[in-house]
Order: sequence, then C-alpha cells, then structure tokens
Amino acid sequence: AQSVAQPEDQVNVAEGNPLTVKCTYSVSGNPYLFWYVQYPNRGLQFLLKYITGDNLVKGSYGFEAEFNKSQTSFHLKKPSALVSDSALYFCAVRDRTSGTYKYIFGTGTRLKVLA
Amino acid sequence: NAGVTQTPKFQVLKTGQSMTLQCAQDMNHEYMSWYRQDPGMGLRLIHYSVGAGITDQGEVPNGYNVSRSTTEDFPLRLLSAAPSQTSVYFCASSYLEGRREKLFFGSGTQLSVL
Repeated sequence: AQSVAQPEDQVNVAEGNPLTVKCTYSVSGNPYLFWYVQYPNRGLQFLLKYITGDNLVKGSYGFEAEFNKSQTSFHLKKPSALVSDSALYFCAVRDRTSGTYKYIFGTGTRLKVLA
Repeated sequence: NAGVTQTPKFQVLKTGQSMTLQCAQDMNHEYMSWYRQDPGMGLRLIHYSVGAGITDQGEVPNGYNVSRSTTEDFPLRLLSAAPSQTSVYFCASSYLEGRREKLFFGSGTQLSVL
C-alpha cells in the first residue's frame, strides 16, 4: 500500500530565509512524487514532480525538491521565502509499478512566511 | 481553454437526499479523479478513471458512485447523503504519460449535509 507522511502541520519561516517542507513516502514499487500548493480560497496547483533521473527537481516559483531513495523522502525547498509563498502544501505519490493510478496525498503542511 | 470545470460551487443537502457533482475537462486527458478534502485529513481519493468506460475505487469510495461515458465528463453521485459527506470535493484530470503526468484541479465544490 502507498502512503505519504507530512510530519509538520505548520511551518513558520521569516521572509528571506530558506524554507523546507518535509515529506516521506512508502510504496512497494517505484514512485512518482509530486508537490501541489493550495493558496487561500483557490484550487490546487502543480509545483513539481519527480519521475526519474536527477534527484534534484526544479519547479515553479523558485521551488525545488530533493528525491532521496534511501530515506524515502521528497522534501520541498526554497532558498529565500516570500510572504506570497504562504499557502497549504501537499505531497503526493503514485506507485508507477503497481499498475494502478492512485495518487495518494499527505495531510498537508501550512507554510506561513512572516514579514 | 476552461481546464477542469466543477459545478456547483456550493451545495446544501438534507440527510438522505441524492445529488450529482459535475466535472468536465477540455484537455483530452485520459485520467480523471475525485478527491475530498477534510481538515487534518488532506486529500483522499474517492474514485478514478483511466478512460471512458473504466472506473476504479480509491481510498474512500463508500457512499459514492461514478461513471465515465465520455472522455470529457466524470460525474460523482451521492445516492443518499450523510453528514459525514460534508466536505470540499475536488475533481482532477491528467495525461497518463509520465512526462506529461500532473493533476489539473477544478475549483472545488463545498458540500454541506445537514
């Protein structure tokens, strides 16, 4: 069975500081990994994904994520946070060797960037 | 391009009533899915489809039915609404091919069951 854990309900960071939002996953096969963001009163938007290749993935709005197979992690990072980055962030996984198309999401991490 | 369109945006039901949440996409995506979002629970997959005539259950399928008669439409039916189905519902679609695989979400339906 697939699962995703986002251990922090909320992350607070000062504007201009680096940010990290943590995600660990569990799949029996090989994962596709995703990050999505939900801004207040708006729908969810794709940020970035890992499917294969380089472990460091770059995405929208200056975000990046590092795939670590040994630690089964896919943490989201940004070198310098903006107040406008404040939102709810979701990590998601799909087991690409399972033959199914079930995307399993984490419970979300609320990022608050303080001015 | 409209993307993924969900209707209605808001709905209030009484326990036992039935209704259908509509979802349509104009991107010719093979994959469509329904999620519910509850505080502290994240997004949970209800049902999904990889093409017309093909549907499968997600994590929380009980109380919901789906069908996929066309590539564009994927309605979600609540046959007998219960208060536990009070939630925000999102429809999402995607290409199935790895390089183009990413979910596009609708704007959501806020459902209250009294």
